[in-house]
Amino acid sequence: DAGVIQSPRHEVTEMGQEVTLRCKPISGHDYLFWYRQTMMRGLELLIYFNNNVPIDDSGMPEDRFSAKMPNASFSTLKIQPSEPRDSAVYFCASSLGRGSYNEQFFGPGTRLTVL
Amino acid sequence: DAKTTQPNSMESNEEEPVHLPCNHSTISGTDYIHWYRQLPSQGPEYVIHGLTSNVNNRMASLAIAEDRKSSTLILHRATLRDAAVYYCILRDYGGSQGNLIFGKGTKLSVKP
Repeated sequence: DAGVIQSPRHEVTEMGQEVTLRCKPISGHDYLFWYRQTMMRGLELLIYFNNNVPIDDSGMPEDRFSAKMPNASFSTLKIQPSEPRDSAVYFCASSLGRGSYNEQFFGPGTRLTVL
Repeated sequence: DAKTTQPNSMESNEEEPVHLPCNHSTISGTDYIHWYRQLPSQGPEYVIHGLTSNVNNRMASLAIAEDRKSSTLILHRATLRDAAVYYCILRDYGGSQGNLIFGKGTKLSVKP
């Protein structure tokens, strides 16, 4: 298996533009997570899905952020409009089950820079 | 999830053992202890987890105190590739929360 795939790996955009980050989870995994990492706040959960349904989006910072999972093999995280404070590394992770013993597999991340 | 405390940084020499401590004095009886690490410019990766007994796998060993208020991740022979941030995370059995809650972790430096 190729692992969790994220695209693009790097994104540079200007303030006000729409940004779409993409994630392909590991085949067969039923949980998908979006995390964000910054120097100030560390790694924090934004939202997670179970069987393509959003379960907890309490970490989504504002209405400018939205996430979808139209099918089991694809998810997007969209920021519209983007702001400089959204600059961060965004990670997607997937797991089989959500139990406390279930390993999460992380993608390589998308480094977003908003100018 | 209960809170964990780890040193901000540690240093090790290559090919020597490394003991990374984690305090979790408020751990509940149903919390699993997980360790993840994040290599530079990569996503976190799972290392090991345990509940009460010591655990070994190909990457590391996990030693859990008898009262479970602390644990130690042991890398038996550190390599340069082991330089990373190591996170100690508690997860409630049954997983009322599916996500991982990351603290600041311990940044491990390995000297050749």
